[in-house]
Amino acid sequence: AQSVTQLDSHVSVSEGTPVLLRCNYSSSYSPSLFWYVQHPNKGLQLLLKYTSAATLVKGINGFEAEFKKSETSFHLTKPSAHMSDAAEYFCVVSGAMNRDDKIIFGKGTRLHILP
Amino acid sequence: SAVISQKPSRDICQRGTSLTIQCQVDSQVTMMFWYRQQPGQSLTLIATANQGSEATYESGFVIDKFPISRPNLTFSTLTVSNMSPEDSSIYLCSVAGISYNEQFFGPGTRLTVL
Repeated sequence: AQSVTQLDSHVSVSEGTPVLLRCNYSSSYSPSLFWYVQHPNKGLQLLLKYTSAATLVKGINGFEAEFKKSETSFHLTKPSAHMSDAAEYFCVVSGAMNRDDKIIFGKGTRLHILP
Repeated sequence: SAVISQKPSRDICQRGTSLTIQCQVDSQVTMMFWYRQQPGQSLTLIATANQGSEATYESGFVIDKFPISRPNLTFSTLTVSNMSPEDSSIYLCSVAGISYNEQFFGPGTRLTVL
């Protein structure tokens, strides 16, 4: 069984300061992990993905995430927030390439950027 | 990646009516998925639609309420039947990438039921 927990429903940071969005997962075997972003009234966009290669994953728009197996975490970070980063972010876990392994979405974290 | 379009982008419907949402992909894909995103919530998988077979529904979703068609490898429809205000949500279709566990999403259909 798999699950994913996004620890914060809302995060507020000032423009130009670092961003940290936390995600913990649970999986019976080596998972694939993803971060998606959803801007208001827009579709979901893949930010980055981890699929058992390098544990530090770089994505689009300056975001990156580190897979830490010992902590079962996959936190999303960005060194310097921009106003355009304000959006909803979803952490997603998926199991092996098997259609019986459902893709599980976290509840989402809304990122607010303060001027 | 795949380019996915959905029609309509949004609609406002009356209670008791039905709405069919279309999902078109720019390439042939085996697996297509339909999700619901209720207001302020995360995404919940409704069903998986494979071409040539009946859709597989997740717990809590039934074919009578959400009939799905998958006539070919680039197209699918989801119908929301006998709608009630509780059906007001964003409905998204997605397709699996080269690896099943990576998905590409359509822009969504925002449904409001009065």
